[in-house]
Amino acid sequence: NAGVTQTPKFRVLKTGQSMTLLCAQDMNHEYMYWYRQDPGMGLRLIHYSVGEGTTAKGEVPDGYNVSRLKKQNFLLGLESAAPSQTSVYFCASSLTRTGRTDTQYFGPGTRLTVL
Amino acid sequence: AQKITQTQPGMFVQEKEAVTLDCTYDTSDQSYGLFWYKQPSSGEMIFLIYQGSYDEQNATEGRYSLNFQKARKSANLVISASQLGDSAMYFCAMRGRAAGNKLTFGGGTRVLVKP
Repeated sequence: NAGVTQTPKFRVLKTGQSMTLLCAQDMNHEYMYWYRQDPGMGLRLIHYSVGEGTTAKGEVPDGYNVSRLKKQNFLLGLESAAPSQTSVYFCASSLTRTGRTDTQYFGPGTRLTVL
Repeated sequence: AQKITQTQPGMFVQEKEAVTLDCTYDTSDQSYGLFWYKQPSSGEMIFLIYQGSYDEQNATEGRYSLNFQKARKSANLVISASQLGDSAMYFCAMRGRAAGNKLTFGGGTRVLVKP
């Protein structure tokens, strides 16, 4: 059981370039999330998904798009990267969204730098 | 809206002693969940403990316990018998219907365990 995995672990982009971050989970979780963490701060929700084929905006969605074509995968895309998107990105998944089983389990993170 | 406040940006604790990390929250929900996560220097987010708003007993997980005072809206984490490996950032988070059942994080507390 790998849990939640993220690729890549590190990436450096130039302003205006695009990229996709991949998150995969093998726990058969229904819900998946993308967060960003800026220095000295807690995590902020970018987008989330409540099931295959569905996505919704979180707290800071601008500049990002997501897709959930398969239940186990959740992709985060940056179409035109900006220096303000330099951050550490975390993916998480949970079995449910309420009750004790809504605990979110996190991937190891992707450190993105936009020059 | 819901809000999590962690007022201690950083603290030192002597090895083998107990430490309490403060967390207060604000929500209009009656049903909600409270979580603590640990983030070591390696960066991953590790789930520690969960407390449901209707749980009558304080949650415990090994050396971690949650001092839940519902009327005061506080959910402090107690780490007993601190170990050097407990040095990390600790985040309090909550999930409630007022925020669409999304997880909201506090700003974190950095703990350094001294030998």
